[in-house]
Amino acid sequence: GESVGLHLPTLSVQEGDNSIINCAYSNSASDYFIWYKQESGKGPQFIIDIRSNMDKRQGQRVTVLLNKTVKHLSLQIAATQPGDSAVYFCAENILPLYNQGGKLIFGQGTELSVKP
Amino acid sequence: KAGVTQTPRYLIKTRGQQVTLSCSPISGHRSVSWYQQTPGQGLQFLFEYFSETQRNKGNFPGRFSGRQFSNSRSEMNVSTLELGDSALYLCASSLTKWLDVKSEQYFGPGTRLTVT
Repeated sequence: GESVGLHLPTLSVQEGDNSIINCAYSNSASDYFIWYKQESGKGPQFIIDIRSNMDKRQGQRVTVLLNKTVKHLSLQIAATQPGDSAVYFCAENILPLYNQGGKLIFGQGTELSVKP
Repeated sequence: KAGVTQTPRYLIKTRGQQVTLSCSPISGHRSVSWYQQTPGQGLQFLFEYFSETQRNKGNFPGRFSGRQFSNSRSEMNVSTLELGDSALYLCASSLTKWLDVKSEQYFGPGTRLTVT
């Protein structure tokens, strides 16, 4: 069935280090991927997205890499800060067909813990 | 601009009862999606509405239903509640146009439903 999975459920890094969160996806029908950050007691917050016609996209302190050959997605956070501590989800946007809307398929999430 | 709002934030129900959750999207957003989040299953897509029409549906039983009003506000209903329905129910809105591929979604804080 449809699935977007994460390699590691938890990740602990020192403040100031770079973080890399990985994600594997199985549905090759989608061409749009998103990373979300979810803090305790809040809904997921959009971080960055990428289309399948790109292999890299950069935002503020974050970079998303897409490898379609091995169906792998990663999120890199530069100079990780305590405020980055949260659960990170990758999500795959299933293309709309005919008159259907798109839907997001989420991975299980990786909990990032930043040590001061 | 106000974000996505969901009411109530917390709810306790008993098995067999039914529940209605409400979601007000960001002003101007016409697409509303609903997700169920549990520790075991993660974030799972329930359904999506656009202009009062359900465009897409996840793999949930018929006890889960929803609707959207002309002002884009949406409600979801769960009938004959089961213990396994205990979850965080998240609503997300987007500016998705009809058949638009990219649909960045903005999430609300969720409604925490506990079934006893």
